[in-house]
Amino acid sequence: RKEVEQDPGPFNVPEGATVAFNCTYSNSASQSFFWYRQDCRKEPKLLMSVYSSGNEDGRFTAQLNRASQYISLLIRDSKLSDSATYLCVVNALTGGGNKLTFGTGTQLKVEL
Amino acid sequence: DAGVTQSPTHLIKTRGQQVTLRCSPKSGHDTVSWYQQALGQGPQFIFQYYEEEERQRGNFPDRFSGHQFPNYSSELNVNALLLGDSALYLCASGPGTGPSGANVLTFGAGSRLTVL
Repeated sequence: RKEVEQDPGPFNVPEGATVAFNCTYSNSASQSFFWYRQDCRKEPKLLMSVYSSGNEDGRFTAQLNRASQYISLLIRDSKLSDSATYLCVVNALTGGGNKLTFGTGTQLKVEL
Repeated sequence: DAGVTQSPTHLIKTRGQQVTLRCSPKSGHDTVSWYQQALGQGPQFIFQYYEEEERQRGNFPDRFSGHQFPNYSSELNVNALLLGDSALYLCASGPGTGPSGANVLTFGAGSRLTVL
C-alpha cells in the first residue's frame, strides 16, 4: 500500500464548478499535512496547510480527519487558472527532521 | 531575495555515467532536501542535509549520494546512471529540522535529467 494515495484523475470540470479531491495516508504518526499545487513541468508550490479544525483560504477549503487518516481539498467556483496537479503531502517528523511524502497527484482541468 | 536555485536546469547523460546536481538554498534556510520526480509521479524523498550531515534518507540505493557545504548549498551525485534515473530532481530548503520547517519548505525549479 502506498503511504499517500490519491485518485490521479484527470478531473475535467467546467469553469465555476465545485470540485473535491481526497487523499488517504497510512502512517498514523504523521504530524502535518499539506496540499501542494504543481503546474506542468514546474516545481511544486505550497497551496495550503491542512488542520483538523479545517481551514479555508478564499475558494479553497482543506480538511483533515486523523481518525480516518483522510485529507480533502475543496475548490469552489473553479477558474481556468486552477488547472494543475494537486499533490497531497504528509510530513512525518523523525529524529532527523522533516520528511515529506507526496501522493502521485490529482490532475485538474478546468474548461470553458 | 533569491529563492532556491538549482543547476543545471537540463542535462543528458548516458547509462553508466555519473552526474552532479547543485542547489543553493533560499536565504535564511539551512536545511536542504532532495527529491526525485519521475514522469506522472509525485516527488520521492531522497535525503536531507543539515549541518553538513545526511540526517534522513529515503529508499534510494547508495548510487545516490550528497553533500552539504558550510554555506548550506548542496550537491546530489548519482553514479552508474540507469535509464530509470531519468527524472526531475528537486531541491527543497527550509529553516532547521523542526516541525515548523515543513510549513515553509521552498522548492527549486529542478534539474531535469535524461539518461539515454
